[in-house]
Amino acid sequence: EVQVVQSGAEVKKPGESLQVSCKASGYSFTSYWIGWVRQMPGKGLEWMGIIYPGDSDARYSPSFQGQVTISVDKSISTAYLQWSSLKASDTAMYYCAREYGSGNYFDYWGQGTLVTVSS
Amino acid sequence: QSALTQPASVSGSPGQSITISCTGTSSDVGGYNYVSWYQQHPDKAPKLMIYEVNNRPSGVSNRFSGSKSGNTASLTISGLRADDEADYYCSSYTSSSTLYVFGTGTKVTVL
Repeated sequence: EVQVVQSGAEVKKPGESLQVSCKASGYSFTSYWIGWVRQMPGKGLEWMGIIYPGDSDARYSPSFQGQVTISVDKSISTAYLQWSSLKASDTAMYYCAREYGSGNYFDYWGQGTLVTVSS
Repeated sequence: QSALTQPASVSGSPGQSITISCTGTSSDVGGYNYVSWYQQHPDKAPKLMIYEVNNRPSGVSNRFSGSKSGNTASLTISGLRADDEADYYCSSYTSSSTLYVFGTGTKVTVL
């Protein structure tokens, strides 16, 4: 059974760093891209970026390029989304999801990680 | 890359059919058969309902169907039920550097 499980909610202060994780199981982790999606409070879904665990090739939406870093540790089938300096505007729910590459859609989603940035 | 355009809300009575539109451009919806639809209940993760324009994943009711004409894709829900009440988002692959784009989202209300 395919499962995608994200790390728990985080409360941080502006300027702090953060890494949230996304652990996949039940399939060959290195054979499927993993994407990240942001949902700000009361707003819609925004695609942030995607990474191929097989070779760590990462692609970013221009809106998020330079703002976050997507990485993987294939030894533990886990993808990461990280910030070096959080802003209040980073407050949102973040989802990771497996991309079914040949069809360009996201078939399995994590439960989401709520990130709250407040002084 | 702008978000795909969806109506903010659509409503219908139980048992009726509703259709949600998703309008893009020839660089996304119109250019590829890579349109997908997601259902999101409050405080839940999105769930894939339709992929590649008109395919349903295993376990998704056949009351959900998808189609596309030109730059506009559509999701139809037939036999509307109370638990269909949710937000729905379309998504498309795009030839722009963004790679993917989501729709603005549609709130479906069952009257």
